[in-house]
Amino acid sequence: EPEVTQTPSHQVTQMGQEVILRCVPISNHLYFYWYRQILGQKVEFLVSFYNNEISEKSEIFDDQFSVERPDGSNFTLKIRSTKLEDSAMYFCASLNTGELFFGEGSRLTVL
Amino acid sequence: KQEVTQIPAALSVPEGENLVLNCSFTDSAIYNLQWFRQDPGKGLTSLLLIQSSQREQTSGRLNASLDKSSGRSTLYIAASQPGDSATYLCAVSGPGTYKYIFGTGTRLKVLA
Repeated sequence: EPEVTQTPSHQVTQMGQEVILRCVPISNHLYFYWYRQILGQKVEFLVSFYNNEISEKSEIFDDQFSVERPDGSNFTLKIRSTKLEDSAMYFCASLNTGELFFGEGSRLTVL
Repeated sequence: KQEVTQIPAALSVPEGENLVLNCSFTDSAIYNLQWFRQDPGKGLTSLLLIQSSQREQTSGRLNASLDKSSGRSTLYIAASQPGDSATYLCAVSGPGTYKYIFGTGTRLKVLA
């Protein structure tokens, strides 16, 4: 069964460093998303992507964040200069006929 | 702004019990509602999707209902098992957006 895959599963970085989280959505899906979940808190929407551009973003998704679909399969989230409060689980998801499918997540720890 | 609330926040039941998890949302003009399961430290697994024209969906021991006019959904789990222990999340999309907004979840523990 097709699935959303994410790499890395866990990344530890120093504050101020750039981080790129990678996702391969399910191939025939058209909408892609990034969500994050800070430990013990709710799943929060960051950004949605459709037709090679951002369709919607939340207040969290400020200038430190960017997304790209550099080729036909990968979908990346870049955090330019990480802060301690960026420590969270980041989930990629793709949407098909209204149903959202999630990857296993990338745990980001900022020291 | 859409807000999603789940009650109870945590629930502990003996094995074999039937149980109901509740989800409410503030704007009834949603597109879809989806229930997910999340195991500790893991991703979200889709359980059931209820599209806007539907009132309920069933999968095995799970049944989810949707009452858009009252802004509520329930997830019914029949004959609960220890393997059902997880956090259950509901999420809604719309109006005017395909992003899903999540509730805070119900942490379920089924005791053997």
